[in-house]
Amino acid sequence: DGGITQSPKYLFRKEGQNVTLSCEQNLNHDAMYWYRQDPGQGLRLIYYSQIVNDFQKGDIAEGYSVSREKKESFPLTVTSAQKNPTAFYLCASSIKPAGFPFSGNTIYFGEGSWLTVV
Amino acid sequence: AQRVTQPEKLLSVFKGAPVELKCNYSYSGSPELFWYVQYSRQRLQLLLRHISRESIKGFTADLNKGETSFHLKKPFAQEEDSAMYYCALSSNDMRFGAGTRLTVKP
Repeated sequence: DGGITQSPKYLFRKEGQNVTLSCEQNLNHDAMYWYRQDPGQGLRLIYYSQIVNDFQKGDIAEGYSVSREKKESFPLTVTSAQKNPTAFYLCASSIKPAGFPFSGNTIYFGEGSWLTVV
Repeated sequence: AQRVTQPEKLLSVFKGAPVELKCNYSYSGSPELFWYVQYSRQRLQLLLRHISRESIKGFTADLNKGETSFHLKKPFAQEEDSAMYYCALSSNDMRFGAGTRLTVKP
């Protein structure tokens, strides 16, 4: 079954703790993305990676970290420095990096992970 | 900097009525624009993209570079069109608008 798999679906974290959200894709996509979805604010880009061993900050990278050691994996760590971490997190991937000229690039999304800080 | 604006958070129409979801963008280069849709309890998924100039589920969207808009239109809304709609701009990354929740009433 091909696609993007995020885990866990639901996660509770105590204040002051780091937590890592997993994102795996078996679509052989070059680019991967992490978004945060909050009510009324749409999807805000946290980090993205266009190729293995490279990643770029999005609009709201503060308090988050990522790695891209393997093409199929792009884990997101929510650190204790993130002031308002309770949110719905979406991972996505695309066959080519966004911006590739008129690639018709389609982004495919995972089912998301709910993170609640208690 | 690239930006996508969807001015309406909520839009409600009756079944059979026309619907238009607005999207404006700011980008200095040649934009590549998309509409994504999220139905209840489903993943966010691609609805259509401007380069394809296609009609999906009766929806169309035309890129107007003069007005920097990419509005989504359907002449006769159906109840199953009720969903969250996001406009997206592909540049160096993929940026999304805040989304519009469309409700089609019977």
